[in-house]
Amino acid sequence: AQKVTQAQTEISVVEKEDVTLDCVYETRDTTYYLFWYKQPPSGELVFLIRRNSFDEQNEISGRYSWNFQKSTSSFNFTITASQVVDSAVYFCALSEGQLGNQFYFGTGTSLTVIP
Amino acid sequence: EAQVTQNPRYLITVTGKKLTVTCSQNMNHEYMSWYRQDPGLGLRQIYYSMNVEVTDKGDVPEGYKVSRKEKRNFPLILESPSPNQTSLYFCASSLRGQGYNEQFFGPGTRLTVL
Repeated sequence: AQKVTQAQTEISVVEKEDVTLDCVYETRDTTYYLFWYKQPPSGELVFLIRRNSFDEQNEISGRYSWNFQKSTSSFNFTITASQVVDSAVYFCALSEGQLGNQFYFGTGTSLTVIP
Repeated sequence: EAQVTQNPRYLITVTGKKLTVTCSQNMNHEYMSWYRQDPGLGLRQIYYSMNVEVTDKGDVPEGYKVSRKEKRNFPLILESPSPNQTSLYFCASSLRGQGYNEQFFGPGTRLTVL
């Protein structure tokens, strides 16, 4: 079973629109960590955020915000007032604290922001 | 500059010809890992290492070998490459394992096996 599901394969929005990228995870562990990474067209992987399972506070960083909800096993990512530079593939990832040392990535969401 | 380096960046080879992709980090990180990225499949972990001489399989280890003789280096070895190993490969490192810290990724190695 997929431990991290990103159901949205591709999303297109017009510049300045808000967009939410969904991430649903699955784990039996009580301690785990969730991540978002960005892969722009140039190909490198850029770290955006890390959350641990004990901290359900939402986080905001500029135009980016993250909504962590343990009740629905979701860790969604919202970009407010999208810009062309936000066009990229975004990956959600999970690492389990007690059950192992692996990292599990979702299949990614390709976001295109149209000017 | 803190970084993860991989070499080569691009490689075209033929079936069965052994190859090694090198990975090195200069951040004194304990955890290192290899991933492959394929369209529609995201990143899948091949092998990881919690520290020197400690390696373990990820989700897709078949056809690959690794070693961790030094803390900074984590080479990926394909003893007999096959076309289904054509992929984009990323090496990554983090200060510690188990998700305590974010991973830093290398620039990627695009491998084509003919």
